[in-house]
Amino acid sequence: DGGITQSPKYLFRKEGQNVTLSCEQNLNHDAMYWYRQDPGQGLRLIYYSQIVNDFQKGDIAEGYSVSREKKESFPLTVTSAQKNPTAFYLCASSIARDSYEQYFGPGTRLTVT
Amino acid sequence: DAKTTQPPSMDCAEGRAANLPCNHSTISGNEYVYWYRQIHSQGPQYIIHGLKNNETNEMASLIITEDRKSSTLILPHATLRDTAVYYCIVRVASYIPTFGRGTSLIVHP
Repeated sequence: DGGITQSPKYLFRKEGQNVTLSCEQNLNHDAMYWYRQDPGQGLRLIYYSQIVNDFQKGDIAEGYSVSREKKESFPLTVTSAQKNPTAFYLCASSIARDSYEQYFGPGTRLTVT
Repeated sequence: DAKTTQPPSMDCAEGRAANLPCNHSTISGNEYVYWYRQIHSQGPQYIIHGLKNNETNEMASLIITEDRKSSTLILPHATLRDTAVYYCIVRVASYIPTFGRGTSLIVHP
């Protein structure tokens, strides 16, 4: 089955630790995205990538980093510099940046204490 | 991107039509109207999009007013599984969608 996978579903970390969230897609999509969602809120864009080895900051990139070494993979690292890292993180992909439809993964709920 | 206004919550009886409104009075000529929905603790799911004409697919219908300043998403026969947050997004095709708070739809038996 084609789709986007994010792992793990739930992740717990101690404050001060970096943590990497996985996002893999087998849809052969060029564009990939990371969003953050806080309780009762909409989605805010962290980073996006239109092509391998290229990525751009979104609205709330501070404290996060990404890489795009392979078309299928777009991991997100939440660094210790991110002041409020506890949130629901969603990865998405689309055929291209100007595609009508984004496909979302199931999300990773990160809790930092 | 044009801003959108949606009611924070709505409810609907199972089997009835759910009509979800969206105001986008500042929409420009090259901006599309998109609808997504997000079931609790899952990623959003694309539903439908349109520019000027009304659109229908297997999930829903999209009605856009003639002046394009508002639209309505119609779920013709709502089921309990349609309980979700529905996002109305207006954007130029080349822009990345931004998701506001949406409308929380509760379908009750």
